[in-house]
Amino acid sequence: EVQLVESGGGLVQPGGSLRLSCAASGFSFSAYSMNWVRQAPGKGLEWVSFISITSNNIYYADSVKGRFTVSRDNAKNSLYLLMNDLRAEDTAVYYCVRDRNYDYFWGTLSAWGQGTLVTVSS
Amino acid sequence: QSVLTQPPSVSAAPGQKVTISCSGSSSNIANYYVFWYQHLPGASPKLLIYDTDKRPSGIPDRFSGSKSGTSATLGITGLQTGDEADYYCATWDTSLSVYVFGSGTKVTVL
Repeated sequence: EVQLVESGGGLVQPGGSLRLSCAASGFSFSAYSMNWVRQAPGKGLEWVSFISITSNNIYYADSVKGRFTVSRDNAKNSLYLLMNDLRAEDTAVYYCVRDRNYDYFWGTLSAWGQGTLVTVSS
Repeated sequence: QSVLTQPPSVSAAPGQKVTISCSGSSSNIANYYVFWYQHLPGASPKLLIYDTDKRPSGIPDRFSGSKSGTSATLGITGLQTGDEADYYCATWDTSLSVYVFGSGTKVTVL
């Protein structure tokens, strides 16, 4: 069974930092590209970032570019999102999401974690 | 404001059919595959349609996807109470170089 388990969410002050982790199991993590998607309270889904299998292709939403950094450790079956300079508008549930088994973006978000809540507030 | 426009809500009686539109532009829907996701209350989103008109294994054929020009459509036939959820279209925008979700449509079964 495919499992994606996010962790690292919590309450952080504006301007602070947080690192989200996603532990993958039930599939060959090193063979799939990955994404982060978020949903702010009462709002729709927003794609945040993509990282390819080899980490050679990385993309970000304009709203987080320059502040967030996505990375992965294929040996540890793990995906990460380092979030710096956090703002109130970054408050959301963050989902770890599996893409296709291609080393480039496709957009088939086929497996989702349960999400971790990040709250940015003073 | 999303670059993909969906109606805020649609509704129909059990057993009926609904369609959800997703309107985009030449930089997104017209030149890339369209994806549809179902977000049930209290659950994580789920992939319903990929590559515009394909269903992942386990998704019933009551769900269908299509595209024409700069618009895409999700169809749900034989509506069930369990279909009450938010539905999102998504695609890659070549001008913005980002993956964009539609604004979302809430489906209500009357």
